[in-house]
Amino acid sequence: GEDVEQSLFLSVREGDSSVINCTYTDSSSTYLYWYKQEPGAGLQLLTYIFSNMDMKQDQRLTVLLNKKDKHLSLRIADTQTGDSAIYFCAERANNAGNMLTFGGGTRLMVKP
Amino acid sequence: DAGVTQSPTHLIKTRGQHVTLRCSPISGHKSVSWYQQVLGQGPQFIFQYYEKEERGRGNFPDRFSARQFPNYSSELNVNALLLGDSALYLCASSFEQGAAYYEQYFGPGTRLTVT
Repeated sequence: GEDVEQSLFLSVREGDSSVINCTYTDSSSTYLYWYKQEPGAGLQLLTYIFSNMDMKQDQRLTVLLNKKDKHLSLRIADTQTGDSAIYFCAERANNAGNMLTFGGGTRLMVKP
Repeated sequence: DAGVTQSPTHLIKTRGQHVTLRCSPISGHKSVSWYQQVLGQGPQFIFQYYEKEERGRGNFPDRFSARQFPNYSSELNVNALLLGDSALYLCASSFEQGAAYYEQYFGPGTRLTVT
């Protein structure tokens, strides 16, 4: 079955870059997503990447996809205290309809 | 435009009771999915509905059911509540089933506590 793994915790200083990593097992994944969840809130879609892409950049966010190693990363440039949240990686398989499989989340703490 | 809305925001139920959670998708979105997020974990897929038909079901018992209405809003029903059903229930909407449905937007969730 599908499995998505993330490290639990990342701490960075304000102004530094953050890199959050994710690995997945389903080779039929078509889209891979990054969501942000602040305390007590729902999920905010940050960005997504199609599986035939290697990289996608959107303002401070850069997504890198290594399909061979099934590794996805999210880089946040110039990390701010407002970026402190839990970040979820999710994948959608080719035959899975709208079903997303999420990782356990990475808690990002940004220190001033 | 309003985002995905869910009601109620919080509720407390007793073991064995029944609960109904509601979701209104973004205007123009025809697909609604439900997820359960237990504290400290990532969301887990429960159901997807598109055009009032069930299009996907996760690994949840038959106590969980859902439906979608002609206006594309949806209800999630859970019978015979267990303590382990305590979670944040998230609804997500997307435009349609098919190649254009890659963007899913989540509502704020309903926090269910079972005592």
